[in-house]
Amino acid sequence: DAKTTQPNSMESNEEEPVHLPCNHSTISGTDYIHWYRQLPSQGPEYVIHGLTSNVNNRMASLAIAEDRKSSTLILHRATLRDAAVYYCILRDANFGNEKLTFGTGTRLTIIP
Amino acid sequence: DGGITQSPKYLFRKEGQNVTLSCEQNLNHDAMYWYRQDPGQGLRLIYYSQIVNDFQKGDIAEGYSVSREKKESFPLTVTSAQKNPTAFYLCASSYRVNSYGYTFGSGTRLTVV
Repeated sequence: DAKTTQPNSMESNEEEPVHLPCNHSTISGTDYIHWYRQLPSQGPEYVIHGLTSNVNNRMASLAIAEDRKSSTLILHRATLRDAAVYYCILRDANFGNEKLTFGTGTRLTIIP
Repeated sequence: DGGITQSPKYLFRKEGQNVTLSCEQNLNHDAMYWYRQDPGQGLRLIYYSQIVNDFQKGDIAEGYSVSREKKESFPLTVTSAQKNPTAFYLCASSYRVNSYGYTFGSGTRLTVV
């Protein structure tokens, strides 16, 4: 299974942009890059996903490196509600291989 | 509103008892999943099901059992064979296409005393 590597923790000031990195050097050509976030005692919440091109939605932007070996989740203007653990995972296009692995993620702290 | 419901939110059981956690979705998703999360850890896959009447073991299936008799429901039984059952259990569902994300339930916190 392709694995992802994320920093254990990051801090950011409120109302500043946040860039959360993820390395996935063994990504295959058909793996989608997914991002989720989890608040304490809650289930993870889908944030964004992409394959090759950069993606934007109302929550965040996803910047994918040209070689696809890394990606960055961008929160354009962090709020206190963005404080959570952020997970970067890969979803295999071959549906039979559905053993998704969630690492320990990045714990994002927002400083007021 | 469509969503995925896990019940109960908190569950206490005595050691040696089997316990079943409920997971129901009305999103018309084909696939359903069970994950376990321990404090400060990521999610680990227990079982998953792509279609009704079919399911596969994940990375930590020992001591757990599941069934998928209906598309909407994927209950998880934590048996007495599970050595350390106290954990936060999360159910998720998705379409059978990897371009879609997962929808997670709010979780069940199981404490075995």
